[in-house]
Amino acid sequence: EIVLTQSPVTLSLSPGERAALSCRASQSVTSSNLAWYQQKGGQAPRLLIFSASSRATGIPDRFSGSGSGTDFTLTISRLEPEDFAVYYCQQYGSSPWTFGQGTKVEIK
Amino acid sequence: QGQLVQSGAAVKKPGSSVKVSCKASGVTFSTSAISWVRQAPGQGLEWMGYIIPLFGTPKYAQRFQNRVTITADESTSTVYMELSSLTSEDTAFYYCATPYYDGSGYYYWYFDLWGRGTLVTVSS
Repeated sequence: EIVLTQSPVTLSLSPGERAALSCRASQSVTSSNLAWYQQKGGQAPRLLIFSASSRATGIPDRFSGSGSGTDFTLTISRLEPEDFAVYYCQQYGSSPWTFGQGTKVEIK
Repeated sequence: QGQLVQSGAAVKKPGSSVKVSCKASGVTFSTSAISWVRQAPGQGLEWMGYIIPLFGTPKYAQRFQNRVTITADESTSTVYMELSSLTSEDTAFYYCATPYYDGSGYYYWYFDLWGRGTLVTVSS
């Protein structure tokens, strides 16, 4: 199975700053079948990005995804107060579908 | 607008089984590939398996193959996930979720609809 490694584990930033979250796969992700989710305390994950770079319905354009093969990045251009949360990547190019362990974006 | 409503929290003894339900509305149940994803406290997400009610045959992640059973009841638009031989390591939130379906037979296995989760606590 494909193992996804996210870095950093924790990112401490201030509102208005730019966040760059990394997701590295143990083998190439087929057809850039990679998604990103946001999860806030006590809530289910929320889909942000699919196909590595396509925003889900209703997701603000400050969220963007990039990458291919084994290296992917989620960028939040200017952090809003509601963006402080945990972010997960998921690959769905090869079963079993697997998730990274998450990056927590916290207020500095 | 689709919705997945899950059953309430459960407390179970080690060695027992738990059955969690997920009732779908606002989606075409027969072609919804309802999946189960679990999350231990403070941990990441783990895909367990899915069922497409139209076809009936579930698919499981290998690590759960011998302990999980996913079934569907089309009469009530409800999917069930039963996990047996519980240990404390099975204490987690269990989510049902559906992937995007393009309507012509192809599923894109990112999850755009989620239930709120069911907390299962395993404790003696």
